[in-house]
Amino acid sequence: DAGITQSPRYKITETGRQVTLMCHQTWSHSYMFWYRQDLGHGLRLIYYSAAADITDKGEVPDGYVVSRSKTENFPLTLESATRSQTSVYFCAGLGVGSYEQYFGPGTRLTVT
Amino acid sequence: AQSVTQLGSHVSVSEGALVLLRCNYSSSVPPYLFWYVQYPNQGLQLLLKYTTGATLVKGINGFEAEFKKSETSFHLTKPSAHMSDAAEYFCAVRDTGANSKLTFGKGITLSVRP
Repeated sequence: DAGITQSPRYKITETGRQVTLMCHQTWSHSYMFWYRQDLGHGLRLIYYSAAADITDKGEVPDGYVVSRSKTENFPLTLESATRSQTSVYFCAGLGVGSYEQYFGPGTRLTVT
Repeated sequence: AQSVTQLGSHVSVSEGALVLLRCNYSSSVPPYLFWYVQYPNQGLQLLLKYTTGATLVKGINGFEAEFKKSETSFHLTKPSAHMSDAAEYFCAVRDTGANSKLTFGKGITLSVRP
């Protein structure tokens, strides 16, 4: 158990709709991260957060918005979903002084 | 920017055979190095990591990896493959500075033949 939960686990939405993926952690991870996993690309960082109210862009931030008003929650919002955002999304956490990131179970998002 | 190279997308071995999954990174300064495993429909699980000290690190499920600075490599090995090792494996690097971001390789799928 990595202390990271994600919801929903599966989501189908239509092009143009707004969708929010939730990430909740119980281990007091200071850093939190959002990745997308696509065949042939591995995992690519979308956004990350060093603490509450501190967020920064990763490698592929376009089309996504994040917030972190509370340390334990790090939602990812697709403001207007596109088919290219069909992917598996992983949330991860990293504690202060830790080396490795701990991953949630993922959310499989399909945009039709 | 860091980059991680995992050659090939798929490796197939027989049960009981040696597993060798290659990973090379681009940093001129030795970073922190990780191998993660992903079983079907699951998240990523840490196999092992190198931070400092002994260059041969042992992980879970009988895997080990050796950090070779001169070759900028961190190859993953297991002497004898088991059917349960079939999964996707990711190599990742993290700079040793304050930046906590991971850079992942593209992953490699390991198949184990009976």
